[in-house]
Amino acid sequence: DGGITQSPKYLFRKEGQNVTLSCEQNLNHDAMYWYRQDPGQGLRLIYYSQIVNDFQKGDIAEGYSVSREKKESFPLTVTSAQKNPTAFYLCASRREPTDYGYTFGSGTRLTVV
Amino acid sequence: EDQVTQSPEALRLQEGESSSLNCSYTVSGLRGLFWYRQDPGKGPEFLFTLYSAGEEKEKERLKATLTKKESFLHITAPKPEDSATYLCAVQATGNTGKLIFGQGTTLQVKP
Repeated sequence: DGGITQSPKYLFRKEGQNVTLSCEQNLNHDAMYWYRQDPGQGLRLIYYSQIVNDFQKGDIAEGYSVSREKKESFPLTVTSAQKNPTAFYLCASRREPTDYGYTFGSGTRLTVV
Repeated sequence: EDQVTQSPEALRLQEGESSSLNCSYTVSGLRGLFWYRQDPGKGPEFLFTLYSAGEEKEKERLKATLTKKESFLHITAPKPEDSATYLCAVQATGNTGKLIFGQGTTLQVKP
C-alpha cells in the first residue's frame, strides 16, 4: 500500500544535540512538507519542497534544516539552535492536481531530556 | 494575513446528540478548504475538500458546508468512535500548496 512512513515514532534529544527525523513516501508525490504540532495550536509549517533538490522555508524554519536529494525522501534535522524542540512532527506529501489535500505520516514525537 | 479559527475548542456530546463545528477563515483568495480528523498520537486523516461557497460534501455521519467566510462540519447522531480532534485548513490561491490550519476542535462522544 502507498503511504508516508515517518521514523522513529518517539525520539529523545539531549541538550545541544542534533537529531534527524525520517520521512519516506512511495506515493510518487512531488511536493513534501514538514509541520510541527503543539498542544492547543494549529499545525505550523517548517519547510516544504515542491521538487527534488529544491526546498523553501516555512513559517518557523529557524533551528531546522532539510534536504531533498530523492523524490521519496525528505528528512528533517532539528539542530541545537532550536530552543524549544519538544513537539509532535508531521510529514506530508501532495500530488497536484488533487482533491485530497495532503497525505500525512503518523508523526514523530520529539522530547528534550 | 491568512487566518483560520475553529470553535469550540472542545465539545462533549452524548451519543446521538447532533451538533456542528465551526471554522472561520480569512484568506486573500480561497483555493480550497480542507477538513481532517486526527486521533491521539496519529497523523491527520483526510475527510473533505470544499472549493466554493454553497458546496456541501457528506461522508457517513459527517457533512461539511462552505460559505464565503466559514465552514461547518455537521455531525449527525454521533457515535463514540467519532471522538477525535477535527482540523480545518485553507489553501490560498497562488499559493505553493501550503495549508494554514486552525487549532482544532476536540470532540468527545459519550455512550
